[in-house]
Amino acid sequence: GAVVSQHPSWVICKSGTSVKIECRSLDFQATTMFWYRQFPKQSLMLMATSNEGSKATYEQGVEKDKFLINHASLTLSTLTVTSAHPEDSSFYICSAPPGLAGLEETQYFGPGTRLLVL
Amino acid sequence: AQTVTQSQPEMSVQEAETVTLSCTYDTSESNYYLFWYKQPPSRQMILVIRQEAYKQQNATENRFSVNFQKAAKSFSLKISDSQLGDTAMYFCAFMNGNAGNMLTFGGGTRLMVKP
Repeated sequence: GAVVSQHPSWVICKSGTSVKIECRSLDFQATTMFWYRQFPKQSLMLMATSNEGSKATYEQGVEKDKFLINHASLTLSTLTVTSAHPEDSSFYICSAPPGLAGLEETQYFGPGTRLLVL
Repeated sequence: AQTVTQSQPEMSVQEAETVTLSCTYDTSESNYYLFWYKQPPSRQMILVIRQEAYKQQNATENRFSVNFQKAAKSFSLKISDSQLGDTAMYFCAFMNGNAGNMLTFGGGTRLMVKP
């Protein structure tokens, strides 16, 4: 149990285009999902908290108009990188707490999406 | 705001030996959770172990155990009988129990297990 999937696993796009990344909880419902960005050899940095049925909460310094988050259902959150530029190239990871008994606060992570903007 | 510090950017250990990874954190909260996550070359984040701050007993998961020193705000991970598959980045993470399950990560420790 507690499986989180992401799609696509990697994407290459041209500068100026938009890219959508999906995060799905496969065997549990998630009212909250989290989006992280990880640059090479660095730690994970929280970008935003995705809330089902309401607006996402963005961390300081993250442009909400550039990184659009939509939590469409209890099992799906999407991150759209709009007008992507080379500096947006990174590894994007989502996570969700499945609320399992005894592990209520534990987050499980998707496999990540590698984005390369040319 | 909470901070998590991992002071060892890289470590190595011989196969079958024991290694300890350090982590310190800073918080004024009393309700919190601490985690160690492993990130192998595949980059999939894998939960290794978790600790509730209100529990005095150190968490253990097979070969993995923690030394949770609440007063010192220290949360080290001990890996016993190291295996080649333990080679990975290890991240210590803090979660404020009163602030919506967000994780704050340390900078990570790259562990290399040598044959």
